[in-house]
Amino acid sequence: AQSVTQPDIHITVSEGASLELRCNYSYGATPYLFWYVQSPGQGLQLLLKYFSGDTLVQGIKGFEAEFKRSQSSFNLRKPSVHWSDAAEYFCAVGVSSPTDKLIFGTGTRLQVFP
Amino acid sequence: DAGVIQSPRHEVTEMGQEVTLRCKPISGHNSLFWYRQTMMRGLELLIYFNNNVPIDDSGMPEDRFSAKMPNASFSTLKIQPSEPRDSAVYFCASSSQDEQFFGPGTRLTVL
Repeated sequence: AQSVTQPDIHITVSEGASLELRCNYSYGATPYLFWYVQSPGQGLQLLLKYFSGDTLVQGIKGFEAEFKRSQSSFNLRKPSVHWSDAAEYFCAVGVSSPTDKLIFGTGTRLQVFP
Repeated sequence: DAGVIQSPRHEVTEMGQEVTLRCKPISGHNSLFWYRQTMMRGLELLIYFNNNVPIDDSGMPEDRFSAKMPNASFSTLKIQPSEPRDSAVYFCASSSQDEQFFGPGTRLTVL
């Protein structure tokens, strides 16, 4: 069965520091990969997605992610974190198409210190 | 576009009562999803519709849960009777060709 693992439950960084959130997936073929962000009390907002092609994808708010097939990973990065980036981040896999049901990881809560 | 609209935003009810959550998807989107978010289980898909037809309801916890989509612009998720363990945030999402758009969620508390 398909699954998504986010090994880090909680990450704390200082404002201005770089960030990498890890995501590993289990799926036979190349999956459709997504990163969503959820601010407290809000719904989920799409940061970026990967379907095929260039393995480094750019998203909104200065985020990027790299698909590595050999490692079954899709890690999210940002070179310089802002206090407003504090939120929960979810990695997700689309099973059979980009608009099919999504399987979500358990999320990583990001805390940013000034 | 107003995005995915969910109502109510908050619902507090007593065990045994019927609860109905509502969702208006983005116009033109032909897929609609209901998710539940809890601390223990994270985000899990309950059911999804394509062109108003239920495609996969394997995530619906039990017979107390039911979902309908009578037309392309409206869906309901009903819990009858509700139990304290149903307390969660319920999200509705609709999808375009390559992205799901989430509503703000309904926070349900069953006392």
